[in-house]
Amino acid sequence: SYDLAQPPSVSVSPGQTASITCFGDKLGEKYACWYQQKPGQSPVLVIYQDTKRPSGIPERFSGSNSGNTATLTISGTQAMDEAVYYCQAWDTSTASYVFGTGTKVTVL
Amino acid sequence: QLQLQESGPGLVKPSETLSLACTVSGGSISSSDYYWGWIRQPPGKGLEWIGSFYYSGSTYYKPSLKSRVSISADTSKNQLSLRLTSVTAADTAVYYCARTIFGVVIVGFTPQNVLYGMDVWGQGTTVTVSS
Repeated sequence: SYDLAQPPSVSVSPGQTASITCFGDKLGEKYACWYQQKPGQSPVLVIYQDTKRPSGIPERFSGSNSGNTATLTISGTQAMDEAVYYCQAWDTSTASYVFGTGTKVTVL
Repeated sequence: QLQLQESGPGLVKPSETLSLACTVSGGSISSSDYYWGWIRQPPGKGLEWIGSFYYSGSTYYKPSLKSRVSISADTSKNQLSLRLTSVTAADTAVYYCARTIFGVVIVGFTPQNVLYGMDVWGQGTTVTVSS
């Protein structure tokens, strides 16, 4: 099965840049997306198709995907960005969706 | 504005079948532009994709759940359904439905669907498996 690994936690100071990574074999050959989930809430799509932002998502959220790593970057991180972030990718070989393990972002 | 609402029994006995519905409002489940999916999240754990459905009947399932899961749609009710058989305590989770953006890419000479991301989610419904 295809697996996506994320660091369990990332800490960032307000106003600084947070980078959240997602590792998978040849992930750069697939399309990655990212979700933000706050406690007690449903996930929210913040990046899809590697780099695209859905309507309503702030410009401080950006994505990239190359090699074995996809990265979600939050520029000028705000307290409201504190959440768990999940990556996801479609594995064409098995026709299945895979979620990453999740990264808790703490703004302190 | 598109909204999704999950519904179903909150308690299911071990070995029985879990059945959930997702009612879509503000849009059509028969749209050719989207897949519709089910995702679950066990208490305190991460997200797990269960499967996805297209209005034509095309379905994709998580390989490890494929023998127990079925996703279908009732277009007259604009509802997506999930059936999961032979449940155990490990199936206890919050269950979400979500709309999915997709596209078609050419791999070799074969067109293949690629799911890009789940852009609208329901609020989720909690299912506990216990006797």
